[in-house]
Amino acid sequence: GQSLEQPSEVTAVEGAIVQINCTYQTSGFYGLSWYQQHDGGAPTFLSYNALDGLEETGRFSSFLSRSDSYGYLLLQELQMKDSASYFCAVTPGNTPLVFGKGTRLSVIA
Amino acid sequence: DADVTQTPRNRITKTGKRIMLECSQTKGHDRMYWYRQDPGLGLRLIYYSFDVKDINKGEISDGYSVSRQAQAKFSLSLESAIPNQTALYFCATSDPRVSSGSLGYNEQFFGPGTRLTVL
Repeated sequence: GQSLEQPSEVTAVEGAIVQINCTYQTSGFYGLSWYQQHDGGAPTFLSYNALDGLEETGRFSSFLSRSDSYGYLLLQELQMKDSASYFCAVTPGNTPLVFGKGTRLSVIA
Repeated sequence: DADVTQTPRNRITKTGKRIMLECSQTKGHDRMYWYRQDPGLGLRLIYYSFDVKDINKGEISDGYSVSRQAQAKFSLSLESAIPNQTALYFCATSDPRVSSGSLGYNEQFFGPGTRLTVL
């Protein structure tokens, strides 16, 4: 089976940096994805890591360590609009994504 | 713009009623999915289809059925709705041919969601 663990809630100050961690246990593994979902909206894709290391896309970066079954999403220069839920998801193989339960990020002034 | 649409966007129904949620996409993707979202439980997969002739059960298929009428259409049915099926339902699509050079890349594109309430 598959399981993913991520914190349920995180609060951070505008302009700061926040890291959202994700650990996973899967029977197969191709890569780790991150999705963002604003209240009332649909999830949207942020990033995908298949190899170890850090991938940077603007203010957002995503990291993967396959040996530790661990990844994180790093958000820099936080803005109020970054307040949302963030989901990690694994690609176990040629099967659909398995999502974590999500981390609700609140950005405060 | 190529898009994923869901109808209805909101639905209130009574226990025992048959309900159909519809999903259409203009992205030309072969793969389509139905998810259910409940507060604190993330996105759970109900059914998925990798092409028109392929239907597979997901994590929580009991009480649900699906129909893939065409590449562009994937419908979810609740044969006899019950209150614990009250949730937000999302349809999604993906294209395995889009790899971005990374094995297992599987960006999913979600519809706007259907909020279903079963009384």
